[in-house]
Amino acid sequence: AQSVTQLDSHVSVSEGTPVLLRCNYSSSYSPSLFWYVQHPNKGLQLLLKYTSAATLVKGINGFEAEFKKSETSFHLTKPSAHMSDAAEYFCVVRPTPNFGNEKLTFGTGTRLTIIP
Amino acid sequence: EAGVAQSPRYKIIEKRQSVAFWCNPISGHATLYWYQQILGQGPKLLIQFQNNGVVDDSQLPKDRFSAERLKGVDSTLKIQPAKLEDSAVYLCASSPDRAFSYNSPLHFGNGTRLTVT
Repeated sequence: AQSVTQLDSHVSVSEGTPVLLRCNYSSSYSPSLFWYVQHPNKGLQLLLKYTSAATLVKGINGFEAEFKKSETSFHLTKPSAHMSDAAEYFCVVRPTPNFGNEKLTFGTGTRLTIIP
Repeated sequence: EAGVAQSPRYKIIEKRQSVAFWCNPISGHATLYWYQQILGQGPKLLIQFQNNGVVDDSQLPKDRFSAERLKGVDSTLKIQPAKLEDSAVYLCASSPDRAFSYNSPLHFGNGTRLTVT
């Protein structure tokens, strides 16, 4: 069984300040973990992924996330927020190995608001 | 490469009516998914196809929802009859994954927003 918990439903930060979106996971197997972003009226876009290689993962638009097995966490960070970062962010877990059943489990999402 | 195409973008229907959504995945992607995203929630998998075969439809309400992918390319999702609780965004995604592969992410379309009144 697997699950993912996004600890904050809404995060507000000022433009130019750091962003931290928190995610904890539970998985019976070594997980693959993803962060997706969804802008209003758009589909989900992959930000970054962890698949058992380096624990610090760099993604697009300056985002990065660190896999911490001891804490079962995969928090998303960015050093300096930009207005265009305002969106909904989803943490996603998928079991590894996968054997062709790529069932993803999505978190409930964190809405990021950027204050000018 | 062209992305996942979905139509229509918006649909408003009355309860008990029927509706169909269409999805054209990225060329060459063997795996196609339909997700339901209710407002304020994360997407929930409805059905997964590998080519034209169903891999997982365990969360599809089969009394009213149906989906097909006849030629292993594009797909349609139908709801008949619709209920108020079906109001949601229906997302289509595709992936080039084959069995034993876990690295490829899903590519999502922009979704169809369904409102049932």
